[in-house]
Amino acid sequence: RKEVEQDPGPFNVPEGATVAFNCTYSNSASQSFFWYRQDCRKEPKLLMSVYSSGNEDGRFTAQLNRASQYISLLIRDSKLSDSATYLCVANGEDSSYKLIFGSGTRLLVRP
Amino acid sequence: EADIYQTPRYLVIGTGKKITLECSQTMGHDKMYWYQQDPGMELHLIHYSYGVNSTEKGDLSSESTVSRIRTEHFPLTLESARPSHTSQYLCASSGGDYYNEQFFGPGTRLTVL
Repeated sequence: RKEVEQDPGPFNVPEGATVAFNCTYSNSASQSFFWYRQDCRKEPKLLMSVYSSGNEDGRFTAQLNRASQYISLLIRDSKLSDSATYLCVANGEDSSYKLIFGSGTRLLVRP
Repeated sequence: EADIYQTPRYLVIGTGKKITLECSQTMGHDKMYWYQQDPGMELHLIHYSYGVNSTEKGDLSSESTVSRIRTEHFPLTLESARPSHTSQYLCASSGGDYYNEQFFGPGTRLTVL
């Protein structure tokens, strides 16, 4: 079983739609969680950290459910520019400094 | 915007050559990382460092080596490149004590002929 699992997608949605991604993590001791965005053939870029209380940044909302060990990302009012791969990330079992990246969920926003 | 740099951005080289991929950051981060990623595939950690003179192998076995003589510099070396080393190599750094978000460089796309 992978330490961080995501639905690979692709999620194909029209502009303006709301889309949600979930991911699960296996290490119950993980403390740090993030969502990264990666465009094709580019480096991953930090989208947002995920806090226990949940957090929102504009159209993006991240939630953490420790009991079920899953993390979610909600994107409202999708834009064409949101098309990318979204990586779910948790810190590893043996270190808080090593991050475990999920395989990513691909989002395609169509006109 | 994170200040982490990688050179070269693209490298095409013949089998058997020795190569060094450079990574530098100006944020004073103590932790640095090297990842390998093939197109459309997931990131694999190949090396990391928690500070000067500290280096560790990552989760994916790699024939490359790294060094950390200065805080800002974390080069990766392949003594004898092979076609199987063809991939994208991404360097990252982090400086937090708790929320250890990592910031990535633009990557080096390596092709070994």
